[in-house]
Amino acid sequence: GNSVTQMEGPVTLSEEAFLTINCTYTATGYPSLFWYVQYPGEGLQLLLKATKADDKGSNKGFEATYRKETTSFHLEKGSVQVSDSAVYFCALIIRNAGNMLTFGGGTRLMVKP
Amino acid sequence: DVKVTQSSRYLVKRTGEKVFLECVQDMDHENMFWYRQDPGLGLRLIYFSYDVKMKEKGDIPEGYSVSREKKERFSLILESASTNQTSMYLCASNKGHSYEQYFGPGTRLTVT
Repeated sequence: GNSVTQMEGPVTLSEEAFLTINCTYTATGYPSLFWYVQYPGEGLQLLLKATKADDKGSNKGFEATYRKETTSFHLEKGSVQVSDSAVYFCALIIRNAGNMLTFGGGTRLMVKP
Repeated sequence: DVKVTQSSRYLVKRTGEKVFLECVQDMDHENMFWYRQDPGLGLRLIYFSYDVKMKEKGDIPEGYSVSREKKERFSLILESASTNQTSMYLCASNKGHSYEQYFGPGTRLTVT
């Protein structure tokens, strides 16, 4: 089956620190990969995506590269802000095999001023 | 902007009660989804619907049912609430074969 594994949190960083949240996956087909973010008290919203190997998704200073050889899609940001404090979810969809997202367990990021 | 709304942000119910969670989207999306979110487990799909009156079981449908009488509205029903159904419930929708799902703010349900 399909699964997504994320590093457990919480991840606590000081403002302007470098962020990496690891994500690896197993998939029975050819996945598209996503990072969703959930700010406190809100639903999830799409942060970035990549649909094929070596694609880099980027948004709001965050980026992630689809690495087929290591089945990974790690989220990075060069300089985090307090406003980045949220829960981050890695997810995948198998193309041409339905419309179902498979989510990782989520990683809580706390950024201190 | 796409808007997905859920009827309650917080709900407290007693064991054995029948519980209705409502979700409405305003973008004419064909597909609607119900997830539950638990710490460390991420989001797990309960049910989804790809058209009015159509429904499909997700990964954890036991103890739940759904109703989709109108395209914009998707209801999750707990026939007899139990304490292990205490969770955050998230509704989502999307259009056709689009990959991006749009989420509501969630309903935190506590069953005592």
